[in-house]
Amino acid sequence: DGGITQSPKYLFRKEGQNVTLSCEQNLNHDAMYWYRQDPGQGLRLIYYSQIVNDFQKGDIAEGYSVSREKKESFPLTVTSAQKNPTAFYLCASSIGLGWASYEQYFGPGTRLTVT
Amino acid sequence: AQKITQTQPGMFVQEKEAVTLDCTYDTSDQSYGLFWYKQPSSGEMIFLIYQGSYDEQNATEGRYSLNFQKARKSANLVISASQLGDSAMYFCAMREGRRNAGNMLTFGGGTRLMVKP
Repeated sequence: DGGITQSPKYLFRKEGQNVTLSCEQNLNHDAMYWYRQDPGQGLRLIYYSQIVNDFQKGDIAEGYSVSREKKESFPLTVTSAQKNPTAFYLCASSIGLGWASYEQYFGPGTRLTVT
Repeated sequence: AQKITQTQPGMFVQEKEAVTLDCTYDTSDQSYGLFWYKQPSSGEMIFLIYQGSYDEQNATEGRYSLNFQKARKSANLVISASQLGDSAMYFCAMREGRRNAGNMLTFGGGTRLMVKP
């Protein structure tokens, strides 16, 4: 089945360690996105990528880094510089760019806890 | 200023009744799109319905309809005949034309809907 996979579902790390969250899609979508969700709040955009080898900062990119070496993969690294990394992280993709009703498809999310 | 405002943090509805979830938005763009997503307790975001700013008809998808009032900048979600499985968080989101280069969405804070049997 086509879709977006994120692994693992739960991730625990010690403070000061970098951690990489994976996101893979087999929908052949051009655009991919990373969002952060804190308890009881909406989603905030961290990074997005329109094509391979290109990505742009979202609203809260500080302390995060990404890469887009393959169309189907868009991993997110939470660095030790991120002050409050504990959150729920959602990856999404959309079919393309330009003006149309291109909804974003979401993965199941990774819940990161840093202590 | 908030781009997307959802004023109802939580709502109850009786099973089989209809419910309206409010969403107001703020944009100076003429071209924009409005989306509603459902987030069950599992965390996954599920796309429900889309309304384009130039669409003259209100969008409908099964039991979901979008009450689009452009002059008031509101895009309320109406769920008819509520089911227990409708209990979830619901998010309104907007894509503005100016930021459309990346098809980026701005989300509201969400409304938690609880359906009572």
